[in-house]
Amino acid sequence: EPEVTQTPSHQVTQMGQEVILRCVPISNHLYFYWYRQILGQKVEFLVSFYNNEISEKSEIFDDQFSVERPDGSNFTLKIRSTKLEDSAMYFCASSEMDPGASYTFGSGTRLTIV
Amino acid sequence: AQSVTQLGSHVSVSEGALVLLRCNYSSSVPPYLFWYVQYPNQGLQLLLKYTSAATLVKGINGFEAEFKKSETSFHLTKPSAHMSDAAEYFCAVSVKAAGNKLTFGGGTRVLVKP
Repeated sequence: EPEVTQTPSHQVTQMGQEVILRCVPISNHLYFYWYRQILGQKVEFLVSFYNNEISEKSEIFDDQFSVERPDGSNFTLKIRSTKLEDSAMYFCASSEMDPGASYTFGSGTRLTIV
Repeated sequence: AQSVTQLGSHVSVSEGALVLLRCNYSSSVPPYLFWYVQYPNQGLQLLLKYTSAATLVKGINGFEAEFKKSETSFHLTKPSAHMSDAAEYFCAVSVKAAGNKLTFGGGTRVLVKP
């Protein structure tokens, strides 16, 4: 069964540094997403990406964040000037175009800012 | 905007007993509804989804959910709990719009007692 692959599985970064989280979505999917889950809290939408541009973003997704699809397979989330409160599990997901299409989530990257 | 409320952040059931996880949604347009399961240190796995076909939806691992428009509910049930059902369960909603953003409930952690 096709999978969404995320790397690394764990990342520890010093506060103020930049971090890049990487994802390989399912190849025939057209929508790509990033979600985050702060420990003990609900899963929150960050951004959706379609046709090489952001289609929707949440209020969390401010200028500190950016996404990119640098080639035909990878989808990255960059966080600049990381803060302690950026510590969370970050999930990448992809879906087909149909409304109501199921997402496939990756296993997540646990980001710890120290 | 859509929202999801899951009643009960923790549920404890005995092995072999009925599992009932409650989910109520709010949406101004017809919703798509999903249940995801998250095992410890893993990603989100789709259990089942409702996309305007049959109101009783069967999913994996013996789970099912019923869409009740009049009650704006999508409760998840399993007739007989198994130890392997111990996990966190998330209800989520999306609507037919660009991006198909998922909005999650707060999650319900299920503990199964022998």
